[in-house]
Amino acid sequence: GQNIDQPTEMTATEGAIVQINCTYQTSGFNGLFWYQQHAGEAPTFLSYNVLDGLEEKGRFSSFLSRSKGYSYLLLKELQMKDSASYLCAVDRGSTLGRLYFGRGTQLTVWP
Amino acid sequence: DAGVIQSPRHEVTEMGQEVTLRCKPISGHDYLFWYRQTMMRGLELLIYFNNNVPIDDSGMPEDRFSAKMPNASFSTLKIQPSEPRDSAVYFCASNSRDEPTGYTFGSGTRLTVV
Repeated sequence: GQNIDQPTEMTATEGAIVQINCTYQTSGFNGLFWYQQHAGEAPTFLSYNVLDGLEEKGRFSSFLSRSKGYSYLLLKELQMKDSASYLCAVDRGSTLGRLYFGRGTQLTVWP
Repeated sequence: DAGVIQSPRHEVTEMGQEVTLRCKPISGHDYLFWYRQTMMRGLELLIYFNNNVPIDDSGMPEDRFSAKMPNASFSTLKIQPSEPRDSAVYFCASNSRDEPTGYTFGSGTRLTVV
């Protein structure tokens, strides 16, 4: 099967920095996605990494190491509205077109 | 584009009744996915289509579940008969192979079977 692991829960305070890790073991790799999902809403796209290194987008950055099967999402200057579940998803690169999702990390930001 | 459109947003039904969930993908997307999300199991892929053809239905729980995609702009997921354990949020998502943002999800249907 495809293993994609993330911590279940994390907490942090407003203004802080938090790093959410994702490790994966998949047969084939063609990119990794991070999605944000607020309670009662659909997941929405945050970032995409296909090459090693850091992709920065405002307060959010995502890092990938293909050799280690590892990614992280870095959230800076945390705000209350960042409280959400963060989902890691892997594209195996087959022609099948589907993504494999982790269980998600529930982040709670305290004032 | 209005995004992926699902209906209904909420459905409450009695055990044993038939439930039909509907999805309109983004125009031009050739993949359509049906997911189920629960607290216990997270996001589970039920079935997905490519160019209206079912590619993998191995995630469909049992024969009570069926899905169709009669054309590129419409898909249904049917549960007959429904059971309380089917209560979950059902998401439809679509994408095209080279979409840099991966999937676009619909708003979901929250199904409660009592």
